[in-house]
Amino acid sequence: NSKVIQTPRYLVKGQGQKAKMRCIPEKGHPVVFWYQQNKNNEFKFLINFQNQEVLQQIDMTEKRFSAECPSNSPCSLEIQSSEAGDSALYLCASSLTGANTEVFFGKGTRLTVV
Amino acid sequence: QQKVQQSPESLSVPEGGMASLNCTSSDRNFQYFWWYRQHSGEGPKALMSIFSDGDKKEGRFTAHLNKASLHVSLHIRDSQPSDSALYFCAASANSGTYQRFGTGTKLQVVP
Repeated sequence: NSKVIQTPRYLVKGQGQKAKMRCIPEKGHPVVFWYQQNKNNEFKFLINFQNQEVLQQIDMTEKRFSAECPSNSPCSLEIQSSEAGDSALYLCASSLTGANTEVFFGKGTRLTVV
Repeated sequence: QQKVQQSPESLSVPEGGMASLNCTSSDRNFQYFWWYRQHSGEGPKALMSIFSDGDKKEGRFTAHLNKASLHVSLHIRDSQPSDSALYFCAASANSGTYQRFGTGTKLQVVP
């Protein structure tokens, strides 16, 4: 069973509010991924880290989205000003060496923007 | 623009039957494949990877990769009701930093 822990499981925010979710990767996994899964079950890669450094991120995350993986603290993904279109399941995942090794996912944080 | 397409969108098979799922990458750089299963309320869980041409078998699951056509399939024999879930194909590049997920197939195994 995956040991990637995501909190909270559910998050409800009003439009324009800040939304923050956290992730503790599997112990010993230096690579962390964030994905967004929308209501149609489509996945969108957002950002990934190796240790504390950003490996790659899509344009969207450079604007309202911010993420970090500080040393000795949970990783986090924050949406500065939530929009209705941000309502989705946000999945955190971790792996040992990157995309070509097994990636372990958490159960996700379901964000609803009302 | 979806670069990893899956078919069918949904599939219903009888218990004990064979389920066959398909996936094609439209980006020749993304040719390392994974199959994931996601039950309701859970995150995806990796079933198996396949990086070389041919078949790879793990228990009741067999994956087949044709690198020339960038087509990968997953066959589930002796399907069980517990196999009912969303199945995703994911592809990564040789030096890829992330996996690109497909559109998904919803499998229902009917007792």
